[in-house]
Amino acid sequence: AQSVSQHNHHVILSEAASLELGCNYSYGGTVNLFWYVQYPGQHLQLLLKYFSGDPLVKGIKGFEAEFIKSKFSFNLRKPSVQWSDTAEYFCAGGGSGNTPLVFGKGTRLSVIA
Amino acid sequence: GAVVSQHPSWVICKSGTSVKIECRSLDFQATTMFWYRQFPKQSLMLMATSNEGSKATYEQGVEKDKFLINHASLTLSTLTVTSAHPEDSSFYICSARVTGTGRSGNTIYFGEGSWLTVV
Repeated sequence: AQSVSQHNHHVILSEAASLELGCNYSYGGTVNLFWYVQYPGQHLQLLLKYFSGDPLVKGIKGFEAEFIKSKFSFNLRKPSVQWSDTAEYFCAGGGSGNTPLVFGKGTRLSVIA
Repeated sequence: GAVVSQHPSWVICKSGTSVKIECRSLDFQATTMFWYRQFPKQSLMLMATSNEGSKATYEQGVEKDKFLINHASLTLSTLTVTSAHPEDSSFYICSARVTGTGRSGNTIYFGEGSWLTVV
């Protein structure tokens, strides 16, 4: 069965620090991978997605993620975080067609001044 | 981009009553929508897949008679929590997939979510 795992439960960073959130997936077929962000009190927003092609995907707000097939990973990165990046980040994966997304447990990012 | 809207955003109901939550795709047609449940500080758990014109597919452990899903049109799916109890209090989120190519293509978009509190 497909699964998505996020290693970090809670990450605390100072402003301007670099960010990398881990995500590993387990899926037997074609895999589509996503990163979503959920700001406090708000709904999920798509940061970026990967289907095929260039394994380095650039998303909104300066985020990027790299798909490494040999490591079954899709880690999220940002070179310099801001206080406004404080949120819950979810990695998700799913097949094509009408299959639902499977979510990781999420990583809470707290950025302190 | 594609928009998925849920209504209501907040609802409080008495134990034993039923509550209906609507999920609409505002600018695209969705043959399939998904319903998730999120407990505080936890991840999203898939409850069911809603298929337009046919029965929903429920995940293991989800009571289909308690969580009634109807997908009567290509832009509307409803989740009805029947005979609600306090343990049903949660954040319910729907999503729909935009098919095809383009910037919004092949992406699942989420509604704003609906907070249900059963007292």
